[in-house]
Amino acid sequence: TQLLEQSPQFLSIQEGENLTVYCNSSSVFSSLQWYRQEPGEGPVLLVTVVTGGEVKKLKRLTFQFGDARKDSSLHITAAQPGDTGLYLCAGGRIQGAQKLVFGQGTRLTINP
Amino acid sequence: DTEVTQTPKHLVMGMTNKKSLKCEQHMGHRAMYWYKQKAKKPPELMFVYSYEKLSINESVPSRFSPECPNSSLLNLHLHALQPEDSALYLCASSQSGGNQRPQHFGDGTRLSIL
Repeated sequence: TQLLEQSPQFLSIQEGENLTVYCNSSSVFSSLQWYRQEPGEGPVLLVTVVTGGEVKKLKRLTFQFGDARKDSSLHITAAQPGDTGLYLCAGGRIQGAQKLVFGQGTRLTINP
Repeated sequence: DTEVTQTPKHLVMGMTNKKSLKCEQHMGHRAMYWYKQKAKKPPELMFVYSYEKLSINESVPSRFSPECPNSSLLNLHLHALQPEDSALYLCASSQSGGNQRPQHFGDGTRLSIL
């Protein structure tokens, strides 16, 4: 059972545009992490959110954790070619220590 | 550069070979993980070690054998693998104490089974 639905799975936009990636579940998570993975490399942690309603900003990236801790979003403003990569959300379960549930990933391409 | 180091970066082996993947971290993390990642898919958890003891085995076939010699090292011993085991094998670590601790990944070992 896929507990984290991530959308869209693929996104190709022009440089300078804005975009949002969504991560949704019917389950409550104690935390949610966003990673970016580039070809030939491991996932790199971007942010961890733990409090319902929390908003974190990382330069042009804005991350939000839903009030009920069941969903999250990643918004990128003025996308650049360097933002290209696979974005993964991963939720920590309330029960089941040390296990992350991964979304299917969003493959993002920013065209110059 | 990642703080979790994996060796080798690439490995090609036959189905009768025995090889080992190695992972090292010096962040003082007491939880370490092995994941398998197929192309265009998210990582799949294989094993979790907490304080050098195996705490989670996700029903992984016995041809994969994990080992945690000390708090900084994690090995994955491979024997009699199948072609479908070809994948990127990722190691990760985190502070102990539940699932709010972010996991930090290495760059993986790209494994090809002939």
